[in-house]
Amino acid sequence: EVQLVESGGDLVQPGGSLRLSCAASGFTLSSYSMNWVRQAPGKGLQWVSYISSGGSTIYYAGSVKGRFTISRDNAKNSLFLQMDSLRDEDTAVYYCATAGTYAWFRHWGQGTLVTVSS
Amino acid sequence: DIQMTQSPSTLSASVGDKVTITCRASQSISSWLAWYQQKPGKAPKVLIYQASSLESGVPSRFSGSGSGTEFTLTISSLQPDDFATYYCQQYNVYPWTFGQGTKVDIK
Repeated sequence: EVQLVESGGDLVQPGGSLRLSCAASGFTLSSYSMNWVRQAPGKGLQWVSYISSGGSTIYYAGSVKGRFTISRDNAKNSLFLQMDSLRDEDTAVYYCATAGTYAWFRHWGQGTLVTVSS
Repeated sequence: DIQMTQSPSTLSASVGDKVTITCRASQSISSWLAWYQQKPGKAPKVLIYQASSLESGVPSRFSGSGSGTEFTLTISSLQPDDFATYYCQQYNVYPWTFGQGTKVDIK
């Protein structure tokens, strides 16, 4: 069974940093491109970042470009999101999600909550 | 960025009703559209990809249609488990974008 488990969400002050992790099991992570998608409280879904299966292609949403860094460790079946210079508007549940050849999201984790507040 | 606009934002319906949700793209996205269902406190679940392809395990009462800029998600006979929020997502052009959501609640 495919399973994605996010961790690392926490309460952090504006300007602070946080590193999210996504542990994959039940499949070989290296076969999939991966994404982070977030959802602010009571709001809709927003795609955040993409990394290709081998890690050579990376995209970011404009609102996080230059502040967030996506990476992966295929040997450890793990995906990461380094979040720096956090802002109030980054407060959200962050989901990791798989994508295949095309960028629709088949498998999702349960999400991890990031709260940015002083 | 491509804007995705869903209508209506909220829809009240009864069990057994036929429900249709519309998603419009600000420019042509061919058939590169997916539909998701999300229940409170849960992750989204894909229902439809490539505008009309039903994801494995999804009940056949769900169907998708459209191409270019206008798309629809139809639930042929609404079931109690279908009360949820539905999102469309385009994956034709980066950055991939979602509609604002359509909440289907009990009439």
